[in-house]
Amino acid sequence: NAGVTQTPKFRILKIGQSMTLQCTQDMNHNYMYWYRQDPGMGLKLIYYSVGAGITDKGEVPNGYNVSRSTTEDFPLRLELAAPSQTSVYFCASSFVTGKVAGANVLTFGAGSRLTVL
Amino acid sequence: GQQVMQIPQYQHVQEGEDFTTYCNSSTTLSNIQWYKQRPGGHPVFLIQLVKSGEVKKQKRLTFQFGEAKKNSSLHITATQTTDVGTYFCAGPGKAAGNKLTFGGGTRVLVKP
Repeated sequence: NAGVTQTPKFRILKIGQSMTLQCTQDMNHNYMYWYRQDPGMGLKLIYYSVGAGITDKGEVPNGYNVSRSTTEDFPLRLELAAPSQTSVYFCASSFVTGKVAGANVLTFGAGSRLTVL
Repeated sequence: GQQVMQIPQYQHVQEGEDFTTYCNSSTTLSNIQWYKQRPGGHPVFLIQLVKSGEVKKQKRLTFQFGEAKKNSSLHITATQTTDVGTYFCAGPGKAAGNKLTFGGGTRVLVKP
């Protein structure tokens, strides 16, 4: 099992450019998440998905879009990159059976470091 | 909204010494999880606490969940250089649809 795989590992964007961060998991987890981590800070939830075809906003969704066409893949799209989006982005997944998703352990990918200049 | 706060933000520890880091929530938590992130790495799950007053040990690490289920602590004994990293606590947050809300983390630096 590869777990959660993120690409690219590093990327530099110019202001206004667009890009997609890819995330795939092979653990058949139903929930997937995107977090961002600013330097020296904690993790903030951007978007999450409870299953294929279903996505919802987290705490900091502005400037991002997601889709979940399959169980395995959960790409994060930045349409108009801004310097405030310079961060490390972590994709995570979990297998949720109960009502409270926060009771389930997250498996994280290695992260994608994005710099917007 | 629900907030999860961790103190201290930074912890400089002499190798061999003990220290404790604390996690406090503004609301009662159904459970609390702890993750460790090595420098340049990604968060890795350490442990989950569910019951009021629960104490769990992993070798030199002792985790405790408060009686009111609003706070937690991580105590490390005889700190080693392998303990370097950031320790995050996380609990279900209403602002995030009951998904995990992470504290700001405690960054641990070990002086040999």
